[in-house]
Amino acid sequence: DAGVIQSPRHEVTEMGQEVTLRCKPISGHNSLFWYRQTMMRGLELLIYFNNNVPIDDSGMPEDRFSAKMPNASFSTLKIQPSEPRDSAVYFCASSLTEYGYTFGSGTRLTVV
Amino acid sequence: AQSVSQHNHHVILSEAASLELGCNYSYGGTVNLFWYVQYPGQHLQLLLKYFSGDPLVKGIKGFEAEFIKSKFSFNLRKPSVQWSDTAEYFCAVKTYYTGGGNKLTFGTGTQLKVEL
Repeated sequence: DAGVIQSPRHEVTEMGQEVTLRCKPISGHNSLFWYRQTMMRGLELLIYFNNNVPIDDSGMPEDRFSAKMPNASFSTLKIQPSEPRDSAVYFCASSLTEYGYTFGSGTRLTVV
Repeated sequence: AQSVSQHNHHVILSEAASLELGCNYSYGGTVNLFWYVQYPGQHLQLLLKYFSGDPLVKGIKGFEAEFIKSKFSFNLRKPSVQWSDTAEYFCAVKTYYTGGGNKLTFGTGTQLKVEL
């Protein structure tokens, strides 16, 4: 099992540009989560999908952020336009309902 | 809303010292509790979890945690730490949505540094 796969590992972009982060969950897992990690705020849940349907997006900071899960094996998190305060490590995690989460290696985003 | 508090933000220990990291949660109902570890530059990995049964839970690498319902606590312990335990440790609680599904709420983390 390759685990949760995220790409890219690192992304440096200029303010105002569109950024797309990608996640491939573990096959068979029915839940997918996007988290953001910063020094100031720790780990924050951005959005949660269950069976490809967004269940809770209350953590999405603002309209500049959007997430999709077109099928069970792929999800994207898009920021448009990006701002320096979006700089963080973004983690994707997947799980079967009754167990712990498996996290991907994360995408370190730097917006300059 | 559910919240998780980790009392120690930074802990420095010498090798072979004993470790206890505090974790308290706010939810009064049935909870599932977790400790995750994040080694420098890596992703979060599960150390141990509590769902039900014996409140003393043993995890990987010699870690254990005790669930004390009356104190809303789930403290992490290790009798003798090693330099390789240097990492950030996160307590988390799983809560369930009314319509189905669940989410993990994390504490702010405790940065542990073990000195030789």
